[in-house]
Amino acid sequence: ETGVTQTPRHLVMGMTNKKSLKCEQHLGHNAMYWYKQSAKKPLELMFVYNFKEQTENNSVPSRFSPECPNSSHLFLHLHTLQPEDSALYLCASSQVSAARLSYEQYFGPGTRLTVT
Amino acid sequence: ILNVEQSPQSLHVQEGDSTNFTCSFPSSNFYALHWYRWETAKSPEALFVMTLNGDEKKKGRISATLNTKEGYSYLYIKGSQPEDSATYLCAPNTGNQFYFGTGTSLTVIP
Repeated sequence: ETGVTQTPRHLVMGMTNKKSLKCEQHLGHNAMYWYKQSAKKPLELMFVYNFKEQTENNSVPSRFSPECPNSSHLFLHLHTLQPEDSALYLCASSQVSAARLSYEQYFGPGTRLTVT
Repeated sequence: ILNVEQSPQSLHVQEGDSTNFTCSFPSSNFYALHWYRWETAKSPEALFVMTLNGDEKKKGRISATLNTKEGYSYLYIKGSQPEDSATYLCAPNTGNQFYFGTGTSLTVIP
């Protein structure tokens, strides 16, 4: 148990569906992250939120839409996805200093997404 | 985008053997180097965070060193045990950006 939970753990969706992934951290951290893990590829950072503000968006297609209503919750809204978006989506949180430098990240268990 | 390379990609060792892996990354514009262990069906778990050139961290049988001037870090496991079987990831970070390598997959054979 890392203090970061994700739901659902598995998701199968059609290309025309809309779904959301949820992440919650119980560690009192001030930064949250979405990562994508595709087969044979490194973890790819998608989005970063510091103090509920999005600070990084690493050229992610608009069919992925993040939302961070407070420092403990993070969502990833999905719509009109493509089969190549099938992957493991990991959420993480960390403490970030006043100088915006991050300490170690704590990861959730991930959501295994399959787009059919 | 930082190019992070880890070697070897995979490794099989006998229980009791000691082993080490390498993480290479561009040495400029660098804040910290993170090591994570990722066991199958679990979440990645932070092992070490190192920031200073020459840093050496240790946790039980696992230790790591950092050379920021030449851009590499080593992870050592002494007396490998089956429970050490996992993928070991390194990630230099600058500010909010983390750049993960593809990892070294370690299998310890009992």
